[in-house]
Amino acid sequence: SQKIEQNSEALNIQEGKTATLTCNYTNYSPAYLQWYRQDPGRGPVFLLLIRENEKEKRKERLKVTFDTTLKQSLFHITASQPADSATYLCALTMDSNYQLIWGAGTKLIIKP
Amino acid sequence: DGGITQSPKYLFRKEGQNVTLSCEQNLNHDAMYWYRQDPGQGLRLIYYSQIVNDFQKGDIAEGYSVSREKKESFPLTVTSAQKNPTAFYLCASRGQGKAKNIQYFGAGTRLSVL
Repeated sequence: SQKIEQNSEALNIQEGKTATLTCNYTNYSPAYLQWYRQDPGRGPVFLLLIRENEKEKRKERLKVTFDTTLKQSLFHITASQPADSATYLCALTMDSNYQLIWGAGTKLIIKP
Repeated sequence: DGGITQSPKYLFRKEGQNVTLSCEQNLNHDAMYWYRQDPGQGLRLIYYSQIVNDFQKGDIAEGYSVSREKKESFPLTVTSAQKNPTAFYLCASRGQGKAKNIQYFGAGTRLSVL
């Protein structure tokens, strides 16, 4: 069966450390993988997109890797801050119709 | 100030009642989406519309209906046939050009059953 898995347990990280979140998928061949941030009671906000032929993408303190052999993406936040606390969602795009298939998200808590 | 506006923020439905959730966008995007979000689950697609006067069922369309009479508006009706409507409902539009794979979301409507 097709699945997207993100760690359902909250991730607690000390301020200033690097937070690493994981997105694993099975039985999909996505053209793109995206990461979104969602704050409580709000809609998701786009952060980064990585294509199937890209290994790594960076934006300021954010870094995403995409390993199509392992069927895994890692999302890193360096020098983490309490303001980075949120739920982070990964989503796959199949090239044909631009629809997104969503993971359930991982809650990240950055402690001061 | 461009974006997606959803209203109301909170909505209560009585048994047997239909309720309509509003979604308006001023981003000039063609494609719009409705999702349902339940705790511990990924967003699930209810309906989507690629262009005005056209819409398609998503994975969980039963008990819901939509219309797309204007580019800016994509309202969702939760009918009495939807037996478990309590959830957080999100409306999104899809970007164009270089942003064609990115979705832009409203702030959501939380629907509860009285």
